[in-house]
Amino acid sequence: SYELTQPPSVSVSPGQTARIPCSGDALPKQYAYWYQQKPGQAPVVVIYKDTERPSGIPERFSGSSSGTTVTLTISGVQAEDEADYYCQSADSSGSYRDVVFGGGTKLTVL
Amino acid sequence: EVQLVESGGGLVQPGGSLSLSCAASGFTFSNYWMTWVRQAPGKGLEWVAHINQDGSKSNSVGSVKGRFTISRDNAKNSLYLQMNNLRVEDTAVYFCSRSNYDGFGWFAPWGQGTLVTVSS
Repeated sequence: SYELTQPPSVSVSPGQTARIPCSGDALPKQYAYWYQQKPGQAPVVVIYKDTERPSGIPERFSGSSSGTTVTLTISGVQAEDEADYYCQSADSSGSYRDVVFGGGTKLTVL
Repeated sequence: EVQLVESGGGLVQPGGSLSLSCAASGFTFSNYWMTWVRQAPGKGLEWVAHINQDGSKSNSVGSVKGRFTISRDNAKNSLYLQMNNLRVEDTAVYFCSRSNYDGFGWFAPWGQGTLVTVSS
């Protein structure tokens, strides 16, 4: 089955830049989306259609895409950004596509 | 305000059944694909199933095919998930969400989730 691969954890100091990659063979053909999830809360979308930022999401959150990898970048990380981050996309193969999530990356702000 | 509220979770024995509901408000429910996503304790997100605007198309993850059925009632602004032959590994918080753009778009907003525990 199709998989999206993320590193289990990323650590950065406040004010630094965090980059969270997500890789998958179908990413050149399918949009990717990113979610932030804090403990005990539902996920919140922070990036949609690879690079678009929803209203209300701080400008320090950005998305990029290159080949089979999409990347969530958080510039000037703040303590409140500590959370789990998930990428989401779709499997472009088969007679009907499935929605797929990456395994998630825990961002720790040191 | 756009809002989704899940209900119906609880404790069920392996092999049992449970029906989840999701009440939508604040948007034109019949215009959107809807989806169920689950999260096992301490684990990541897993897409479960989605359904199109009029209920004529749906799909689900392989591990629940033949056991779970997604449906909707646009007159009641409600989404459902009928879960049969439940397994211990189905234990999770189940979230409903609205799918934007199309059935494979981003999910927003999300409900608060309802916990399903499958245990003897």
